[in-house]
Order: sequence, then C-alpha cells, then structure tokens
Amino acid sequence: KAGVTQTPRYLIKTRGQQVTLSCSPISGHRSVSWYQQTPGQGLQFLFEYFSETQRNKGNFPGRFSGRQFSNSRSEMNVSTLELGDSALYLCASSLAPPAQETQYFGPGTRLLVL
Amino acid sequence: ELKVEQNPLFLSMQEGKNYTIYCNYSTTSDRLYWYRQDPGKSLESLFVLLSNGAVKQEGRLMASLDTKARLSTLHITAAVHDLSATYFCAATLVGGSQGNLIFGKGTKLSVKP
Repeated sequence: KAGVTQTPRYLIKTRGQQVTLSCSPISGHRSVSWYQQTPGQGLQFLFEYFSETQRNKGNFPGRFSGRQFSNSRSEMNVSTLELGDSALYLCASSLAPPAQETQYFGPGTRLLVL
Repeated sequence: ELKVEQNPLFLSMQEGKNYTIYCNYSTTSDRLYWYRQDPGKSLESLFVLLSNGAVKQEGRLMASLDTKARLSTLHITAAVHDLSATYFCAATLVGGSQGNLIFGKGTKLSVKP
C-alpha cells in the first residue's frame, strides 16, 4: 500500500509570495492533518480535515489555509510568506480522526522563505 | 490545554547501555503515541498506547503508559547505533471526535560505539 505522498518535496520562495502544498493520503484514509515543524517551535498542529470538512484548527494566522477534496487529497496554502514560515510541513493521514486512529506521516515539504 | 513534556531533550548513550525517555502530559488524554524521526526524514509510528498499564515492545524499544501519573516511558535496552534518531511522544485530547496530536519537543538520541 502506498504511503502518504507530498509534493513538492522542496520549495524556495521569497517573502510576500504565496505557496500551495499538496498531500495525497493513504488510500482509504479520510482524515488529513497538517503540521509545521521548526527547530524552535517543534511540531505544531495546523489543521485537520475529515470528509472535506475542517474539523480542527491550530493557533496559526489566517495566512495559513487548507482544503480537502472529495478524493481526500488535501492542499494547504500560505499567503504573504514571512521568513518565519520556513519549516518542514508534514501531512498525516488516518482512517478516522486522530483521536481514534493512528496517523501516518508523509515525507514532508521543506519550505525555505528568503 | 494539553501540554506534553519530554525529558531528556538530548541523550548520548553508549552501545549496550539501557536508558529511559520520559513523557509527561498535563491533562487526561485518549491516546499516547511514540514516533521516531531520522534526520531529514518524516515521522515513523512506533507505538500507540490506549489504556492504563499498556505496554508495547518492538525489538530493543519498550513503551508503557501510566494514565494516573500522566506518564509514558520509552525504554531502550542494549542500545545500538541504529537507534540514533529523535523520538517524539504525542498525545490526543479526550472526548473529541476530532482531535489532533500534541507533540513533545522530542528527545535526540545519539548512540555511540
């Protein structure tokens, strides 16, 4: 069974630009969560989608948004990029919401903002 | 608010030695997870602990959960170099059909010959 895939794997952007990251969950998984990992803040929850509905959102500014499609694929968008948005963005999928099922993580997208 | 604390944050071990990583969480949690992350890689699920007294073992790693003490431990037996990685514990909130993982800061383990 294929794992969680994320594209692109690496990205370099400049301040003020916007970026869209994509995540394809494990086949059959309907819950997708996004996390940001930085050396300073560690792993922080961004948002979680289940059956195309955002069910939970972390403490991030409105510049961070996401969506989930009917095939469970998910995208997250960051607008007006700031230097502090440089991070590894991890997508995780599970059969059911994370409180009920183990999440499996993708390889991540490493974003560098210059 | 659920908070998860791990200690130590850095651990340098010699091969063949035993050690324990501790994970404390602040409020009642549904589930406790342990993940491993190799440098530049994603997170690999190691264990999920669901109930008080749960113990799971895989190779040289053993995880346990004490919900009354709000404590989980990851015990490493006879460490080998291949275990060098960062280990994260994570908890989820009770009672939610949603939930998300709250992670500890991670323990960077270095096993030296």
